[in-house]
Amino acid sequence: DSGVTQTPKHLITATGQRVTLRCSPRSGDLSVYWYQQSLDQGLQFLIQYYNGEERAKGNILERFSAQQFPDLHSELNLSSLELGDSALYFCASSVAGGTASYNEQFFGPGTRLTVL
Amino acid sequence: LAKTTQPISMDSYEGQEVNITCSHNNIATNDYITWYQQFPSQGPRFIIQGYKTKVTNEVASLFIPADRKSSTLSLPRVSLSDTAVYYCLVGVFSGGYQKVTFGTGTKLQVIP
Repeated sequence: DSGVTQTPKHLITATGQRVTLRCSPRSGDLSVYWYQQSLDQGLQFLIQYYNGEERAKGNILERFSAQQFPDLHSELNLSSLELGDSALYFCASSVAGGTASYNEQFFGPGTRLTVL
Repeated sequence: LAKTTQPISMDSYEGQEVNITCSHNNIATNDYITWYQQFPSQGPRFIIQGYKTKVTNEVASLFIPADRKSSTLSLPRVSLSDTAVYYCLVGVFSGGYQKVTFGTGTKLQVIP
């Protein structure tokens, strides 16, 4: 157990709909990262938040947005869903620090999104 | 971001030592090299991280030559439970800003 929690575990929805995925980081971790992993694909980095602020952006579609709240939990919002958005969505967290050894990312169990 | 290249897949027998090499020709001065392991339908798990020379922990060793343009993850005496995808990452870790890219990884199949 990494200490990172994600809800829901599974989500089935239809095209055109909007969903929200939730992530609670490990206690004390200030950074939250979102990744998308499609079937048999590697992990695609979407976005990173640090202490409530956006820090880095990857291949995140304009239909997707995220935020990190004052209690440090994060939500990933996916709208106008398409079949191709079906994937595993992982959240990870890390401790902010000046040395690399403190920036290990701890991954949650993921949310499996199925768009029908 | 430094691009990484790894073999797509590897097979090994139980009890063998496995070495997975990752190329990262355009690694930057501040970049660290990190390896993660991922089992199906699970999130990746950190294995080892290094900057140069050799790093060893309880599960693996990481060899980094002086030019840092490649790195080799070494798994001693693999077992069936080591069957997983292994990702090599190169990126910057400093002050809360972390920008790394996971490549397609190496799918390791351990054979009995």
